[in-house]
Amino acid sequence: GENVEQHPSTLSVQEGDSAVIKCTYSDSASNYFPWYKQELGKGPQLIIDIRSNVGEKKDQRIAVTLNKTAKHFSLHITETQPEDSAVYFCAASGVGFQKLVFGTGTRLLVSP
Amino acid sequence: GAGVSQSPSNKVTEKGKDVELRCDPISGHTALYWYRQSLGQGLEFLIYFQGNSAPDKSGLPSDRFSAERTGGSVSTLTIQRTQQEDSAVYLCASKSSPDTQYFGPGTRLTVL
Repeated sequence: GENVEQHPSTLSVQEGDSAVIKCTYSDSASNYFPWYKQELGKGPQLIIDIRSNVGEKKDQRIAVTLNKTAKHFSLHITETQPEDSAVYFCAASGVGFQKLVFGTGTRLLVSP
Repeated sequence: GAGVSQSPSNKVTEKGKDVELRCDPISGHTALYWYRQSLGQGLEFLIYFQGNSAPDKSGLPSDRFSAERTGGSVSTLTIQRTQQEDSAVYLCASKSSPDTQYFGPGTRLTVL
């Protein structure tokens, strides 16, 4: 079955810096890759997703890139702010987007 | 509109007791998922309901775990004879296929 690895497990940056989180997946049939942000005591919230027919997607300060050949995808956050501090999860899903397999999460800390 | 709701938000129980966790999905969402998140870990898939189809129970860790979805809406996750290793946050998500999974706030289960 699908396996998703996520790095780094923790990431500390200064406010205004960029942050990059990387994930790799094992199943070449996976075609949907969402990113979730989880704040303390809350459920994960979708922040951006990408499907396998595109290589990059941007939404204001966040962007996701996908390399299907290498089977990896990355989350990029620019001009980080303290409120970006949270745990970020990547996930991958196959045909029909029925089941998501999640990475182990990255704890991002943005210091003022 | 209303999001996914879960109850209770916190549950403390004694080892060996049974517990029931409730999930109210977003109205009209045909798919419902249960995940388990252990402290500092990623999300572990437990079970998936889609419409009137038989549920995908492939993630349930043991026969002490079961779930049902009544009337295609509310779902209950039951854990019988709880063990300390069952302590975790149990998250429910719903979606309107083939779109995004929306998560509830979770139920934090503590087994003493």
